Amino acid sequence: QVHLVQSGAEVREPGASVKISCKTSGYDFTGHYIHWVRRAPGQGLEWMGRTNPFDNFSYSVGEFQGRLTLTLDTSITTAYMELHRLTFDDTAVYYCARDAPPLIDWGQGTLVTVSP
Amino acid sequence: SYVVTQPPSVSTAPGETANITCGGDNIEFKAVHWYQQRPGQAPVVVISYTSDRPSGIPERVSGSSSGNTATLTISGVEAGDEADYFCQVWDPDADLPRVVFGGGTTLTVL
Repeated sequence: QVHLVQSGAEVREPGASVKISCKTSGYDFTGHYIHWVRRAPGQGLEWMGRTNPFDNFSYSVGEFQGRLTLTLDTSITTAYMELHRLTFDDTAVYYCARDAPPLIDWGQGTLVTVSP
Repeated sequence: SYVVTQPPSVSTAPGETANITCGGDNIEFKAVHWYQQRPGQAPVVVISYTSDRPSGIPERVSGSSSGNTATLTISGVEAGDEADYFCQVWDPDADLPRVVFGGGTTLTVL
């Protein structure tokens, strides 16, 4: 059975960085992209970027370019997302998801609160 | 880049049919995936590739697409169907290929 288990809630001040882990199990880690999606309060789902565990190639889009770092540790089948230069607008629940496609399996979500 | 548009809300009485639309340019030629998200939970796929129903999703949930509109249909709506629903496509033609979500539709069961 596939599982994606994320690290716990975080609180950060504006300008800081936050790193979230996504431990996967139950499938071939190198055979599926890992995507990162967030949902801010009162907003919809927002796609942030993806990483390919096969070749470790990752990218992000839009406002996340240059601010988002996606990494992997294949030895422990874990993906990481690090978001830099946080603002209040980054307060959200962050998800990792395995791509079949579609985004078939999701982590439980990690709440990041940006607060002074 | 490709844009998909959903109505913010749909309201349906129990037992009736809810239709949630997802508009996009020639969307009928794209694979559309639909996710249900209940409060405090992660999204769950309810329809993949426009009309395929994953195992565990009831037959009263269906998907279709024509022209510029894809539709998620929930027949015999139940209280447990209250949730946010998001359509999703893949945009390979953007400067960087990307997942595109609709803004989401809140289904309210009256």
